[in-house]
Parts: sequence; structure tokens; C-alpha cells
Amino acid sequence: GQNIDQPTEMTATEGAIVQINCTYQTSGFNGLFWYQQHAGEAPTFLSYNVLDGLEEKGRFSSFLSRSKGYSYLLLKELQMKDSASYLCAVRDSNYQLIWGAGTKLIIKP
Amino acid sequence: NAGVTQTPKFQVLKTGQSMTLQCAQDMNHEYMSWYRQDPGMGLRLIHYSVGAGITDQGEVPNGYNVSRSTTEDFPLRLLSAAPSQTSVYFCASSPGTTEIITSSPLHFGNGTRLTVT
Repeated sequence: GQNIDQPTEMTATEGAIVQINCTYQTSGFNGLFWYQQHAGEAPTFLSYNVLDGLEEKGRFSSFLSRSKGYSYLLLKELQMKDSASYLCAVRDSNYQLIWGAGTKLIIKP
Repeated sequence: NAGVTQTPKFQVLKTGQSMTLQCAQDMNHEYMSWYRQDPGMGLRLIHYSVGAGITDQGEVPNGYNVSRSTTEDFPLRLLSAAPSQTSVYFCASSPGTTEIITSSPLHFGNGTRLTVT
């Protein structure tokens, strides 16, 4: 079956760096997405990786290793507003998105 | 642009009642989809459409119907509500799903919080 694993919850300190991991087993691979979802709101797009390596967007970076079925989202200079759930999703060989359950990130002052 | 608009935001139904969740997008997106989100689980695809007149089932289609008469609208119908359908429902759209635009992210509506008693 298809599966995406993420930690359920993580805690970090304001101003620090946090890495949220995502491992996947899917039938085929056509890209990996990271979304941010604040409580009670809709998911919003953060990043997309289809080739191995690091993609940087300001304070957020996303890394992909296709051979290991592994990605991580790196958040630097954490702010209180970064408290949210972070969703990992993989587009499979049928171009459908398979979603992880999300990682709830708690930022403490 | 409004993006993806969902109505209503909140709804309470009694078991056996039917209702329609509305979804409209103004981005001329070909692909539209409905997801449900439950605690501790990933988003699960209910139904999707790759264009007007074309719909298909997702992972959890039972108890739901959809239609796509126009590019803009993609309503989700609950035929006979059950407590197991208590969830948050999201409509999402993107330009398409072919390999040409596979990198296109989904744009989500603000969600409908449905409770079935």
C-alpha cells in the first residue's frame, strides 16, 4: 500500500531551527509537496520538490532524496506565527496526491 | 480574485438528512476535488474532476455524489447523512494533473465543518 509518515507533533523555541521529516512509500513518484495549515484554516502551499536536493524559499527550505523516499522541511528563525500543522503530500504514478497525517509544530517563546 | 469559495462554513445535520456543499473557483482550473479531513488522518480524496462533464471516485466516495456541469462549480452532495460523515470538508482546485503541470499545487477553499447527529 501507499504510505506517508510524519511525526505527529514537534515542539521548538522561537528563533530556533526545526526540521520536519517525511518518509514515503508510493507507487511511483511525480513530486512532493509541503503545505502549512493553521488551526481551523485551509492548507496553503509551501514548496514542491521533484528532483533530489534542497529548495530554499526565505526562512523555509525543503529537501528531497528520491532513492531514500525521504524529504524534510527546514524552518529557520522560528516565529510564533509558524505554529501550525505541516502536511507532506506525494503525487503518485496516477498523478493523485497521497497525504501524510501532518506534523503539529508548537513554538514556545 | 476570490480563489476557491466554499459554502456553508458550518453545518449541522441529523442522520438521514441530505445536503449539498457548494464549491466554486474563478481561476479557470480544470481540476477540482473534494477532501475530508479527520483528526489524526491525512486528507482523504472523496471525488475529483479533471474537467466539465468528467468526474471520478477517490479513496472514500461512498455516501457522496458530485457533478461538474461547468468549469467553475463542483458541488458535493451527501445523500443520507451519517455520523461517520462528521468531518471537515475541503474543496481544492489546480490547473490540472498531467505531467506538463504536475508541479501545480492545489488551491484550497476555507472548508466546511459538518456535524451529523
